[in-house]
Amino acid sequence: AQSVAQPEDQVNVAEGNPLTVKCTYSVSGNPYLFWYVQYPNRGLQFLLKYITGDNLVKGSYGFEAEFNKSQTSFHLKKPSALVSDSALYFCAVRDFFPFSGGYNKLIFGAGTRLAVHP
Amino acid sequence: GAVVSQHPSRVICKSGTSVKIECRSLDFQATTMFWYRQFPKKSLMLMATSNEGSKATYEQGVEKDKFLINHASLTLSTLTVTSAHPEDSSFYICSASRESGNTIYFGEGSWLTVV
Repeated sequence: AQSVAQPEDQVNVAEGNPLTVKCTYSVSGNPYLFWYVQYPNRGLQFLLKYITGDNLVKGSYGFEAEFNKSQTSFHLKKPSALVSDSALYFCAVRDFFPFSGGYNKLIFGAGTRLAVHP
Repeated sequence: GAVVSQHPSRVICKSGTSVKIECRSLDFQATTMFWYRQFPKKSLMLMATSNEGSKATYEQGVEKDKFLINHASLTLSTLTVTSAHPEDSSFYICSASRESGNTIYFGEGSWLTVV
């Protein structure tokens, strides 16, 4: 079964410093990986995805993620954190059944709370 | 702008009553939508897959008679929580994707409080 793990419940970083939010995956076949951000009392906002191609994926709000097949990781990064980046971040993998004509069920990690301090 | 809309964003209902939450794809057709439940400070738990024109597929442990899902059109799925109890209070989120796309869009979520 597909799964993702986010080993850190919370990440603390000072504003202006680089940030990394970790994610590892376990899939059969090629992984379709996603990062979403959730602000308090809100739905999920899409940040970026890896389907195929370049291992470094650039997304919204200056975030990027690096797909590492050998380490089965897809860590989210940003060179310079902002206080407004403080939120809950979810890594997810698509559970895809091609015979169902496209079946975009997502399996989520537990989430990592990012706190950026001024 | 938002491509998936949920309504209502917040609802309070009395214990024993039923409440309906709508999920709409705004500018695309979605033959499949997904309903998730999220407890405070927790991850999202997939409840069921909503299939247009056919029965929903429920995840293990989710009561299909309690959480009724109807996907009557290509742009609308509804989740009805029947005979609601306080323990059903939660944040419910739906998602949908374009048929040819790999990006999955989420609604803004619906807070349900059962008193």
